[in-house]
Amino acid sequence: DTGVSQDPRHKITKRGQNVTFRCDPISEHNRLYWYRQTLGQGPEFLTYFQNEAQLEKSRLLSDRFSAERPKGSFSTLEIQRTEQGDSAMYLCASNSPAGFSGIQSTGELFFGEGSRLTVL
Amino acid sequence: DAKTTQPNSMESNEEEPVHLPCNHSTISGTDYIHWYRQLPSQGPEYVIHGLTSNVNNRMASLAIAEDRKSSTLILHRATLRDAAVYYCILRLYNAGKSTFGDGTTLTVKP
Repeated sequence: DTGVSQDPRHKITKRGQNVTFRCDPISEHNRLYWYRQTLGQGPEFLTYFQNEAQLEKSRLLSDRFSAERPKGSFSTLEIQRTEQGDSAMYLCASNSPAGFSGIQSTGELFFGEGSRLTVL
Repeated sequence: DAKTTQPNSMESNEEEPVHLPCNHSTISGTDYIHWYRQLPSQGPEYVIHGLTSNVNNRMASLAIAEDRKSSTLILHRATLRDAAVYYCILRLYNAGKSTFGDGTTLTVKP
């Protein structure tokens, strides 16, 4: 499977614990995005990377949230001291900007299946 | 970000065409109109996008109003597998961030 891969698919944790999600993008994509989605709502943008550089962060991304993409390939999203309000689906997406060397891109986002977090 | 407005829900009968509307009255000249759909328990899936002209692909057609302030996603023959939430979003060329609304939940009746 060459799509966007997320792990774990489901995580149940107790309030106050730390959790980490991993995203492996499509290999030739240099952009990687994190979104959060709560039940009945559309995805909310959290942050995105171009290669290893984090280019934009939403104000939704509090100090307890940190995302990294150290080698410009996979990314991790860590939530420290989880709260019940953090319960959501965390979605990862990847793409390449149009004009990126050798890639035919139309700017579409390729999403993974998400990591569902439940904080008890 | 320019905002889009979609009906909360729509219903269709199987094998009939479905027209899903989207209003984007504050669209800028460099905004592309993208459509995604999300099946239950899955991430969103790209459907189609366009700038000014109508577009067709194997999944759907996109009709864009002449003033670009609205668009319509057309599913030519709805199947039960088309039941999903459909999102219309605007993306600047090579944009990073995209803003999703709450989309339209499409129910397909057999």
